[in-house]
Order: sequence, then structure tokens, then C-alpha cells
Amino acid sequence: KQEVTQIPAALSVPEGENLVLNCSFTDSAIYNLQWFRQDPGKGLTSLLLIQSSQREQTSGRLNASLDKSSGRSTLYIAASQPGDSATYLCAVGEFTSGTYKYIFGTGTRLKVLA
Amino acid sequence: DVKVTQSSRYLVKRTGEKVFLECVQDMDHENMFWYRQDPGLGLRLIYFSYDVKMKEKGDIPEGYSVSREKKERFSLILESASTNQTSMYLCASRRAGGADTQYFGPGTRLTVL
Repeated sequence: KQEVTQIPAALSVPEGENLVLNCSFTDSAIYNLQWFRQDPGKGLTSLLLIQSSQREQTSGRLNASLDKSSGRSTLYIAASQPGDSATYLCAVGEFTSGTYKYIFGTGTRLKVLA
Repeated sequence: DVKVTQSSRYLVKRTGEKVFLECVQDMDHENMFWYRQDPGLGLRLIYFSYDVKMKEKGDIPEGYSVSREKKERFSLILESASTNQTSMYLCASRRAGGADTQYFGPGTRLTVL
């Protein structure tokens, strides 16, 4: 059974730092991997979607990489800002039993200090 | 702009009540999902639907049922609410095929007293 782990669970950094959030998964037979952002009490917003054939995706200050063989993905945030404070979730997409499903990690809660 | 809406942001119900949570998407997506989110447990899939009138159990379907009579609307039903169903409920939709992103609604914070 696929398990998705995100470390650390919480992170606090000063504004302007570059930072890396980690996601690991136990079964490399994935369809895709997606990073989401969640603000307190709100729904999830998609940040980056990496298909299994891709190695990375970039959007603005965000870069996500995928290494299927080692079961890892990283989300790199450049020049962090207080507005980046949120919980970041990674979700692994699988095709099992004729169904496409996402398995979610429990998230990394990020606080960027002004 | 894509949109998934949920009928309530906050809901308070009593034990034993029948509860309906509604989700509507305007993107003509075939697939729709209901998750619950609890601290330390992350998002867990309750039910999903491939298309109208089709439904599949997720990982934690016990105590819940769903209805999808129209493509744009997916309802989650708690037949007899219990305190352990107090949670944040999130609806999502996606195009068929699995390669596309899931779009989430704002969530419903349900408290069962």
C-alpha cells in the first residue's frame, strides 16, 4: 500500500531564504505527483503537477522535482516571502484497480517570518 | 476560471441527524471526489464518482453515502451523524483520465455535537 511522507512537519524560516520541502513515497509505480498549497481553513490550490515521465516542473519561484526510482520529490521555493506561509501537501497519483486516485501526505506547515 | 463550490463553509449538526454536503463544479469534469481532512491523518478519500450515477468507495466509506444525479453535482450524505464525523470535508473534481490536476472546493467544516 502506497505511503506518502512529508518531512519536516513544520518549518519556520526568515524572509528571503531559499527552502526545500521533501516528499517521499514507498511505491514508485506512480502516474504523477502533485504539489498543493493550503491556507488555514481553506481548500487546496494546485501548485505544480509532474507526470511520471517528467523530472521537474517550474512555476515562478517554485520548482518541483521528481525521482521515481528513489521515491522522492522536492519542492524548492526561492526567495521566500511571508505570503508563502501555508501548508504544502504532496499527492501521489496512482492507477490501481482501474481507478486513478491520489494518496496525500500530511503536509509541511511553512511559516515565513518578515 | 475553474470553480468548485461547496454548499456551506461551516455546519453544526447534532448526533443522529441526516446531513447533506453539496458540491458543484462548472468545468464539465467527469470525475468528482469527497475527502475528509483530520489533523495528523491528512486527506482521506471517502467516495468518488467517475460519471453521472456512478460511484466507487474510497478508503473510508463507512457511515457515508453519495449521490450523483447530474454531472456537475456530487452530494455526500451522512445518514446518521456521529461525533467522530466532525471534520473538514473537501470536494474535488477532475477531467477523466487521471493526468490532469484535481480542483478543490473551499471545504466544509462540519461539527457534530
